[in-house]
Amino acid sequence: AQTVTQSQPEMSVQEAETVTLSCTYDTSESNYYLFWYKQPPSRQMILVIRQEAYKQQNATENRFSVNFQKAAKSFSLKISDSQLGDTAMYFCAFMKGINNNDMRFGAGTRLTVKP
Amino acid sequence: DARVTQTPRHKVTEMGQEVTMRCQPILGHNTVFWYRQTMMQGLELLAYFRNRAPLDDSGMPKDRFSAEMPDATLATLKIQPSEPRDSAVYFCASALFLGTGEGEQYFGPGTRLTVT
Repeated sequence: AQTVTQSQPEMSVQEAETVTLSCTYDTSESNYYLFWYKQPPSRQMILVIRQEAYKQQNATENRFSVNFQKAAKSFSLKISDSQLGDTAMYFCAFMKGINNNDMRFGAGTRLTVKP
Repeated sequence: DARVTQTPRHKVTEMGQEVTMRCQPILGHNTVFWYRQTMMQGLELLAYFRNRAPLDDSGMPKDRFSAEMPDATLATLKIQPSEPRDSAVYFCASALFLGTGEGEQYFGPGTRLTVT
């Protein structure tokens, strides 16, 4: 079974600074997908970034980037130039590839961006 | 702007009552998921469907929960009878599965259920 672990229940960062959220996972699969979702107070789940395991290059989306370490089974999210609107719960998620898109989520990290 | 819709957004009910939550997936998506979010358990997958057929409902308490897709535009999650421990936010998500793993999920806004 796949498990996803987010070891930081809460984090805070000053506006305009950089913060990194950690995620580790456990799987025996060789091909899979990893995601970071953001859940603001509105509760809407918003996809922030995704990474295919077979791609060595780390994914980036504007101020968001990941550090994907496949051997270590680590998938951290870096938010640069943090903004007040980044305040939310962030969920790391794992999905087996090819024949299955059953997704497993970590417990989440609550990020607060302070002015 | 395609999006997943869920109704109702909020539901308060008494223990023992039947609760039905509805989800309209994004048009053209062939996979629908039901998740439950609680503070203690985080996000849990309850069940999911592909082309309206249930693929996995192992995360769902079978004695009181049931999930169906009467047609491609509607998914339902029913709890009968409801219990206070069912209080949670229930998310529906949809995805287009093409057999290549391109199954990015789009979430609805959730239904907040409170059972008193």
